[in-house]
Amino acid sequence: EVQLVESGGGLVQAGGSLRLSCAASGFPFSNYWMTWVRQGPGKGLEWLANIKQDGSEKFYVDSVKGRFTISRDNPRNSLYLQINSLRGEDTAVYYCAREGSGSYYPDYWGQGTLVTVSS
Amino acid sequence: QSVLTQPPSVSAAPGQKVTISCSGSSSNIGNNYVSWYQHLPGTAPKLLIYDNNKRPSGIPDRFSGSKSGTSATLGITGLQTGDEADYYCGTWDSSLSAGVFGSGTKVTVL
Repeated sequence: EVQLVESGGGLVQAGGSLRLSCAASGFPFSNYWMTWVRQGPGKGLEWLANIKQDGSEKFYVDSVKGRFTISRDNPRNSLYLQINSLRGEDTAVYYCAREGSGSYYPDYWGQGTLVTVSS
Repeated sequence: QSVLTQPPSVSAAPGQKVTISCSGSSSNIGNNYVSWYQHLPGTAPKLLIYDNNKRPSGIPDRFSGSKSGTSATLGITGLQTGDEADYYCGTWDSSLSAGVFGSGTKVTVL
């Protein structure tokens, strides 16, 4: 069974940093692209970034370029999202997701981890 | 402001059908596959449709997807109270080199 478990969220002051983790199990992690998506309070899903199987390609939404860094550790079956210079608008539930084979579509998602940025 | 446009809400009685539209452009829907997700707050989003019209195993055939040009549509037949949720379309945007989601549609079963 595919499982994705996010961790690392919490209450952080504006300007601070946070590293989110996603522990994957139930599938060959190193064979799949992985993605981070967030949902702010009262907002829709927002795609943030994805990373190729070997980490050699990464893509980011323009609004987080320079502040967010996606990475992975295949031997540890783990995905990460480093968030720097946190802002109030970064308050959201952050989801990691596995991308399906072939075309782009996240097929399995975690339950999410809540990040709250206080001013 | 989402790249993909969906109606904010749709509603119908139990047993009826609803359709949800997703409008984009040539850089996203027009040249890439579309997927659809069901999301209940506080839970993991669930993939309903991928590659425009394919259903993952376990998704009932009450859910269907289609695409024409720069728009896509999700259909839900035999509406059930358990279908009340937010629904999102998603695809890749080749110009942005980024994934994009629709603005989301809330389905209400009357």
